[in-house]
Amino acid sequence: EAQVTQNPRYLITVTGKKLTVTCSQNMNHEYMSWYRQDPGLGLRQIYYSMNVEVTDKGDVPEGYKVSRKEKRNFPLILESPSPNQTSLYFCASSRGGDGQPQHFGDGTRLSIL
Amino acid sequence: KQEVTQIPAALSVPEGENLVLNCSFTDSAIYNLQWFRQDPGKGLTSLLLIQSSQREQTSGRLNASLDKSSGRSTLYIAASQPGDSATYLCAVYNNDMRFGAGTRLTVKP
Repeated sequence: EAQVTQNPRYLITVTGKKLTVTCSQNMNHEYMSWYRQDPGLGLRQIYYSMNVEVTDKGDVPEGYKVSRKEKRNFPLILESPSPNQTSLYFCASSRGGDGQPQHFGDGTRLSIL
Repeated sequence: KQEVTQIPAALSVPEGENLVLNCSFTDSAIYNLQWFRQDPGKGLTSLLLIQSSQREQTSGRLNASLDKSSGRSTLYIAASQPGDSATYLCAVYNNDMRFGAGTRLTVKP
């Protein structure tokens, strides 16, 4: 089954404690992306990757890091999380980065206390 | 900077009604527009994608139209069902993808 898998689904943690949210896709997609979704703001792109070892900033990259060492994985790293990063995070992938339909994971709800 | 607006923010209709969801965007230079469905606790599912050169796309009871020059798109849902209850988001793509905040639809039995 084609899918994008995020882990964990839920996490409550404290300010400053480094965390990583993993994202893996099994569709051999080149393009992967991270979004955060906040009430009233819709989804905003954090980082995206057009292919292995190629990453670029989205709208709201501050406080986040990503890596793309393998095609299937695109982890999101919060080196020193802060309460304003409390949000619902989505990973997505698509065949290409030219607006092709994206497949989304089920989301990760992060709460930073 | 591209801004995408969806009105209304929430909509409640009785089962069987036809309904229209609206999406507007400020920059008409888009590559395509997509409509997504989001169920509670789930990610987004792509419903329809309209390329900038197209006027509409249809899938079953769903029909999406695009008027690029006026910066508008509509999602028409025919004969609504309780299973259509979800949040519907539109997104425009031009080098990056910009989402609206969504319309939360409730279809009452």
